[in-house]
Amino acid sequence: SQQGEEDPQALSIQEGENATMNCSYKTSINNLQWYRQNSGRGLVHLILIRSNEREKHSGRLRVTLDTSKKSSSLLITASRAADTASYFCATDAGNQFYFGTGTSLTVIP
Amino acid sequence: GAGVSQTPSNKVTEKGKYVELRCDPISGHTALYWYRQSLGQGPEFLIYFQGTGAADDSGLPNDRFFAVRPEGSVSTLKIQRTERGDSAVYLCASSLGVAGANVLTFGAGSRLTVL
Repeated sequence: SQQGEEDPQALSIQEGENATMNCSYKTSINNLQWYRQNSGRGLVHLILIRSNEREKHSGRLRVTLDTSKKSSSLLITASRAADTASYFCATDAGNQFYFGTGTSLTVIP
Repeated sequence: GAGVSQTPSNKVTEKGKYVELRCDPISGHTALYWYRQSLGQGPEFLIYFQGTGAADDSGLPNDRFFAVRPEGSVSTLKIQRTERGDSAVYLCASSLGVAGANVLTFGAGSRLTVL
């Protein structure tokens, strides 16, 4: 079974708006990562946040982690049509990675 | 190579047949992972190799599935007596294998269709 669960399952926004997606997980983790998947392609790593970090930035991406609530959020600012993809959180418990169910983001030009 | 290479990209087979899917990881990556992804779902963990040995095969659904990595580089996922429910995209990923800071690099996947 999958470790994480993203919410919402689907999100549709206008270009220029911000997109926020959330991830909840079940067990203790070493770190949490976010990946992106374009239709029909493999997953691409976006950002990693360690369990002792609360917030991390990378370009237009901002990730938060709340280990007490076992949750994380990914914020994409000033969205672009090219950001249209599915986004997955992955939790690292030891050397295994477990992926959530994903959020499908559509950015309308 | 520069990235993770998976072959074939597409495989159509009949129920009951045997299938092999190949993964060529990034050179120097000691860790290799196989995942299965069904339409609209996230990747489902199958098996993880550290070097030549299967460090964790708890995700393999049943004994029809088997994977090897004999020289610690290329890996082959083998599926015997395929069933229609095996249809999915099989993803391979590799990483440096450094605990606590692993980042996965994925291949484009092998799409398996069992008729």
